[in-house]
Amino acid sequence: EAQVTQNPRYLITVTGKKLTVTCSQNMNHEYMSWYRQDPGLGLRQIYYSMNVEVTDKGDVPEGYKVSRKEKRNFPLILESPSPNQTSLYFCASASGINTDTQYFGPGTRLTVL
Amino acid sequence: GQQVMQIPQYQHVQEGEDFTTYCNSSTTLSNIQWYKQRPGGHPVFLIQLVKSGEVKKQKRLTFQFGEAKKNSSLHITATQTTDVGTYFCAGNSGAGSYQLTFGKGTKLSVIP
Repeated sequence: EAQVTQNPRYLITVTGKKLTVTCSQNMNHEYMSWYRQDPGLGLRQIYYSMNVEVTDKGDVPEGYKVSRKEKRNFPLILESPSPNQTSLYFCASASGINTDTQYFGPGTRLTVL
Repeated sequence: GQQVMQIPQYQHVQEGEDFTTYCNSSTTLSNIQWYKQRPGGHPVFLIQLVKSGEVKKQKRLTFQFGEAKKNSSLHITATQTTDVGTYFCAGNSGAGSYQLTFGKGTKLSVIP
């Protein structure tokens, strides 16, 4: 089954404790992206990657890092999480630039205390 | 940077009534995508519009892309309770970039 998976689905952590949210897709997609969703602000793109070793900033990259060492994986790293990073995070993938369908993962709800 | 405004923020309709949500971009877009997100779920891709003036239909849903490629609309005819959710547009400015800017969404409630 074609899918995007994220782990963990829920995470409560404390300020400053480094964390990684994993994202994996099994569709051999070139494009992957991370978004955060906050009430009243909608979805905002954090980072995206067009291919292995190629990443670009989205609208809200501050406080986040990403890496794309393999095509299927695109982890989101918070080196020093802060409470304003409490949010619902979605990973997504698509087959390439200007392609039709972008598939979203189930989401990771992160709370930073 | 690019901004995408979406209105209305909320819409409550009686089942069977029509519904429309509008998106306006501050810049010319290469393409625009539409998504639906059910409560507690993740965004699900509905459609992508690429051409100026393009109109696409999916059963009761009609999508339009403006002539200037700066605005778009989604119209649902005769809403059903299964249409409940938040509808988002997302614009891509192109030029080799896949940076997507989402509108804040329109939350649709359908009263049976």
